[in-house]
Amino acid sequence: GAVVSQHPSWVICKSGTSVKIECRSLDFQATTMFWYRQFPKQSLMLMATSNEGSKATYEQGVEKDKFLINHASLTLSTLTVTSAHPEDSSFYICSAYLGVGRETQYFGPGTRLLVL
Amino acid sequence: DAKTTQPNSMESNEEEPVHLPCNHSTISGTDYIHWYRQLPSQGPEYVIHGLTSNVNNRMASLAIAEDRKSSTLILHRATLRDAAVYYCILSPRYTGKLIFGQGTTLQVKP
Repeated sequence: GAVVSQHPSWVICKSGTSVKIECRSLDFQATTMFWYRQFPKQSLMLMATSNEGSKATYEQGVEKDKFLINHASLTLSTLTVTSAHPEDSSFYICSAYLGVGRETQYFGPGTRLLVL
Repeated sequence: DAKTTQPNSMESNEEEPVHLPCNHSTISGTDYIHWYRQLPSQGPEYVIHGLTSNVNNRMASLAIAEDRKSSTLILHRATLRDAAVYYCILSPRYTGKLIFGQGTTLQVKP
């Protein structure tokens, strides 16, 4: 199956700093990538849809100025958590959509963020 | 977004078949039925998906009711590695969008 990587796999930062998470599709091109957040013992929550070369579409309740998404190429999307606070501590997961006719998403391994 | 209903948890014995049910009574004609599973501290893994007809792959089978208001994921011989949270998700065709519910936690006993 297709491989999606995320970097870093875990990060600890101080409150007020910004953190960038990278999501790469290693062996295929993805015009659409998705970003999710998952708190302990909970399900995944879709944060935003990222299309290559255009602005991301955010789900209701997700602050676009807080969670900056860039999808500069067909194999790379980045999520930047700006001015992180302890409540932003979570497991962040990206996925890449193979597109029309294939209807499958491949997920990255996730990035665990801890804000002190 | 159309919702799905799954049991919170299920148990199975190793090497026995497992039938994981999912109700989706508000499904629209263009919604795909997807199943993903997630192990602790990992990203979800694609299992199977279908639109109207039953589907088989190397991991599982998907049985879709004739009215499409329910479906069943079938693991033919459960192994300990199949213990995970299984999510049944409706996805509008051509969008790739997945809205996760709470899923079913499957325990597999040796």
